[in-house]
Amino acid sequence: GAGVSQTPSNKVTEKGKYVELRCDPISGHTALYWYRQSLGQGPEFLIYFQGTGAADDSGLPNDRFFAVRPEGSVSTLKIQRTERGDSAVYLCASSLDRALNTGELFFGEGSRLTVL
Amino acid sequence: KNQVEQSPQSLIILEGKNCTLQCNYTVSPFSNLRWYKQDTGRGPVSLTIMTFSENTKSNGRYTATLDADTKQSSLHITASQLSDSASYICVVSARTGNQFYFGTGTSLTVIP
Repeated sequence: GAGVSQTPSNKVTEKGKYVELRCDPISGHTALYWYRQSLGQGPEFLIYFQGTGAADDSGLPNDRFFAVRPEGSVSTLKIQRTERGDSAVYLCASSLDRALNTGELFFGEGSRLTVL
Repeated sequence: KNQVEQSPQSLIILEGKNCTLQCNYTVSPFSNLRWYKQDTGRGPVSLTIMTFSENTKSNGRYTATLDADTKQSSLHITASQLSDSASYICVVSARTGNQFYFGTGTSLTVIP
């Protein structure tokens, strides 16, 4: 695709419910990152995929959060038993390769999650 | 501890004026530093990427500087426009590990 696509753009759910957020990276990008951003804060790292595998999931706050990327393209962030504190914008970013050198990192528009 | 700090937290300037945003970091070993612009409700968009050997890089009216010795960077915006109103985020990566380290951003408001 032309850019990183995230769906849904907005999600309102009730406390305790299960939520899935989807990220469609730019075609051919092997590196994929998930971040969480609260109002007035910078993005907070959650998980990094290189291909199909989670190369670093040290940012996931607890075992209610899980992410998959089964075919090395689309990724889904899954949140179980949502809590009000999970309310934030969830950003996805992708890069052609491991972006930490000088690779350009492209962000999606984010999925705004509101837990009532 | 790897950290990125930005100042000021927020800034209001008149249209047409210049401004400079600051970023200090403690990330080590340093790989590169990026400035992103994030409009309200949108994802961040890259402005510049600088490596250790680069002191300055421009992108239109945006000019970023890097002093790797003092671990400081600045983003200078010339002849500001209303569309420059956004959050500007400094992001630093290390040569080891898998993470980008984000600052909390400077919220810039340009008023007519």
